[in-house]
Amino acid sequence: GENVEQHPSTLSVQEGDSAVIKCTYSDSASNYFPWYKQELGKRPQLIIDIRSNVGEKKDQRIAVTLNKTAKHFSLHITETQPEDSAVYFCAASYGGSARQLTFGSGTQLTVLP
Amino acid sequence: EAGVAQSPRYKIIEKRQSVAFWCNPISGHATLYWYQQILGQGPKLLIQFQNNGVVDDSQLPKDRFSAERLKGVDSTLKIQPAKLEDSAVYLCASSPQQETQYFGPGTRLLVL
Repeated sequence: GENVEQHPSTLSVQEGDSAVIKCTYSDSASNYFPWYKQELGKRPQLIIDIRSNVGEKKDQRIAVTLNKTAKHFSLHITETQPEDSAVYFCAASYGGSARQLTFGSGTQLTVLP
Repeated sequence: EAGVAQSPRYKIIEKRQSVAFWCNPISGHATLYWYQQILGQGPKLLIQFQNNGVVDDSQLPKDRFSAERLKGVDSTLKIQPAKLEDSAVYLCASSPQQETQYFGPGTRLLVL
């Protein structure tokens, strides 16, 4: 089955700086890579996703890049704000039509004012 | 549109007791997932339904966990008997045609 590794486990940045979270996956058949944000005690919420036919996707201050050859993908947050503080999870889907997600272990991002 | 609903939000039980969780997915979403999220970890898939059929339950501890989605809409997840290590948040998610998954608020279970 798929295995997703995520780094770092914790990340602290100053407000206004950029944050980068990296994930690697094992199954070369994976073709869908979402990122979820989970605030304390709340549900995971999709913030951005990318498919394997695209190398980069951007949505305002958030961007995701995918390197299929190296089997890794990254989340980039620019101009960080205190409300970006949360746990971020990457995931990869495998299983063909079943679309089952395997999640990374999460990154606790803290944006310091 | 209304989101995924789950109940109860919190549950405290003693080990060896039974517990059941309920999930109501977003209207029209054919695929429903149950995840277990242990503190400090990412969600781990327990079972996936497509309409009222099971697609994958390979990671469901079937000696104590069971789940059903009889009419292809609501779903229940049951644990009987519970163990200490079952303490976790149980998340339900749904998706239209196996695309983006939308999560419910979860049920936080504490087994004493």
